[in-house]
Amino acid sequence: NAGVTQTPKFQVLKTGQSMTLQCAQDMNHNSMYWYRQDPGMGLRLIYYSASEGTTDKGEVPNGYNVSRLNKREFSLRLESAAPSQTSVYFCASNSEYAIYFGEGSWLTVV
Amino acid sequence: AQSVTQPDIHITVSEGASLELRCNYSYGATPYLFWYVQSPGQGLQLLLKYFSGDTLVQGIKGFEAEFKRSQSSFNLRKPSVHWSDAAEYFCAVGEDNFNKFYFGSGTKLNVKP
Repeated sequence: NAGVTQTPKFQVLKTGQSMTLQCAQDMNHNSMYWYRQDPGMGLRLIYYSASEGTTDKGEVPNGYNVSRLNKREFSLRLESAAPSQTSVYFCASNSEYAIYFGEGSWLTVV
Repeated sequence: AQSVTQPDIHITVSEGASLELRCNYSYGATPYLFWYVQSPGQGLQLLLKYFSGDTLVQGIKGFEAEFKRSQSSFNLRKPSVHWSDAAEYFCAVGEDNFNKFYFGSGTKLNVKP
């Protein structure tokens, strides 16, 4: 019963490098999300995808791109990482009754 | 715009004491309300949710929450706290199409022996 799986769990990047966070859910959910979590700021929505083939900006989309590859997978890409993107990133999916989270990806940009 | 406020950043209670975590929301339509718990280094786990009906909802781990429309509040309670309840708690509101969820900034609970 995997639920929402995201990789990698930890990553250190140099400023200007690019990387992609991968997320997959096995619950047949239509909606998927990427959040970032920073101390004292709770969770802030970066992008979401209400269904396969659609994506929309959330509160803090700048510096990120997303791809909804299929119903299961929703990836988050940092094209040119900046220290301000040091954060914990959570992928989530929605069953219409609640939102379910992955275990998080700790990203440090130096 | 929708928003969720958790006024208490940190709360410390003694083991066995009662607990109440506050949550206020701002949302024009009927709110869908949630409480999540996050242990260190972990993702968020759903504790309970409110959609409609009885305003007192029961959740996992002995938690309950009461929806008060007049106060725009959805406070989380537990009669007797256990040391394992030490974690960070997040209140959230979902839009009626469930496409977006808005989270509070969290309340960190510390439990004294």
